[in-house]
Amino acid sequence: GENVEQHPSTLSVQEGDSAVIKCTYSDSASNYFPWYKQELGKRPQLIIDIRSNVGEKKDQRIAVTLNKTAKHFSLHITETQPEDSAVYFCAAKNDYKLSFGAGTTVTVRA
Amino acid sequence: NAGVTQTPKFRVLKTGQSMTLLCAQDMNHEYMYWYRQDPGMGLRLIHYSVGEGTTAKGEVPDGYNVSRLKKQNFLLGLESAAPSQTSVYFCASSPTRSTGNTGELFFGEGSRLTVL
Repeated sequence: GENVEQHPSTLSVQEGDSAVIKCTYSDSASNYFPWYKQELGKRPQLIIDIRSNVGEKKDQRIAVTLNKTAKHFSLHITETQPEDSAVYFCAAKNDYKLSFGAGTTVTVRA
Repeated sequence: NAGVTQTPKFRVLKTGQSMTLLCAQDMNHEYMYWYRQDPGMGLRLIHYSVGEGTTAKGEVPDGYNVSRLKKQNFLLGLESAAPSQTSVYFCASSPTRSTGNTGELFFGEGSRLTVL
């Protein structure tokens, strides 16, 4: 099955700086790569996603890049704000199943 | 439109007891999933269903059973609860992938289960 690895597990950044989270996946058949944000005690919510036929996608301060050859994808958050503090999960979808990374706890310091 | 609703939200069980978690969605989604979330381990797929009357095993199916008798409902059962099943359980649903639709997962609010 699919194996998704995510790094780092924790990330502390100064407000206004950028944050980068990296993920690798194992199954070359995976074709959909979403990122979810989970605030404490809440459900995961989709923040951005990318399909396998696209290399990069941007939505305001958030961007995702995908390298299919190397089987890795990254989340970039620019101009971080306190409300960006949360746990972020990457995921890879193959067929019907979505496999998640272990998560990155992001803390934005004021 | 309530989205994905899970019941109960909290439950405490003793080892060996049984229980059922109910997931209901009102978005007419074909696919439904049960995940468990444990600290440092992300979300792990327990079972999933690609349509009414169908179920399949995920990464960590042992100790759980599921049923999808109606399209809108997906039940997760624990026949004999163990402390290792203490976790937060999330149900999710997804439409079939089609033009303009990536198959995004929509999550319920979660159910916190403690097994003593």
